[in-house]
Amino acid sequence: NAGVMQNPRHLVRRRGQEARLRCSPMKGHSHVYWYRQLPEEGLKFMVYLQKENIIDESGMPKERFSAEFPKEGPSILRIQQVVRGDSAAYFCASSPSGIHEQYFGPGTRLTVT
Amino acid sequence: GNSVTQMEGPVTLSEEAFLTINCTYTATGYPSLFWYVQYPGEGLQLLLKATKADDKGSNKGFEATYRKETTSFHLEKGSVQVSDSAVYFCALRGPLRDSGGSNYKLTFGKGTLLTVNP
Repeated sequence: NAGVMQNPRHLVRRRGQEARLRCSPMKGHSHVYWYRQLPEEGLKFMVYLQKENIIDESGMPKERFSAEFPKEGPSILRIQQVVRGDSAAYFCASSPSGIHEQYFGPGTRLTVT
Repeated sequence: GNSVTQMEGPVTLSEEAFLTINCTYTATGYPSLFWYVQYPGEGLQLLLKATKADDKGSNKGFEATYRKETTSFHLEKGSVQVSDSAVYFCALRGPLRDSGGSNYKLTFGKGTLLTVNP
């Protein structure tokens, strides 16, 4: 049973470009969570999604950031017009339900130059 | 809101030394408490957990006891190995009956880098 997959593992973008981060949950998991780890900080919750629904996006910046989890395919975290402050590690986790243990992917390290 | 404070690293130990990484938390009610470990280049893995006061979580020689009176969940291991070198994160999740998201959001400490030398 493959774990949570994230790609790319490393992503370099210039200021103003768009970044797309992908997360494929574990088989049988329909709940996905995105967390961000800024340098020298712990992981911070961004958004919680179920298939085709955003349940809680309270941790997501109001502008430039969006997330989706379509019926088919991976969850996507999209950052438009990236700025240097977006440089961070972005982790995805999945679970079979909202109250079960969350399983984490290896993360995508975004660098904005 | 919920918060987790853990010992700042880096921590460097010799093999077979005793390990303690301190973790304290702020939360209402009785949260669930976790220790995650991140090996180089990998995602976070759940190391151990405790869901109520006085519970002791244990795994791979690591232990942590949920202390409500001191709001702490310190990680310990009696004899560390080189393979234990990793970043360790303390985290909490609100009680399952809570609304408002605290029952699924994980709140993390900043992480402690442990290096064990042979």
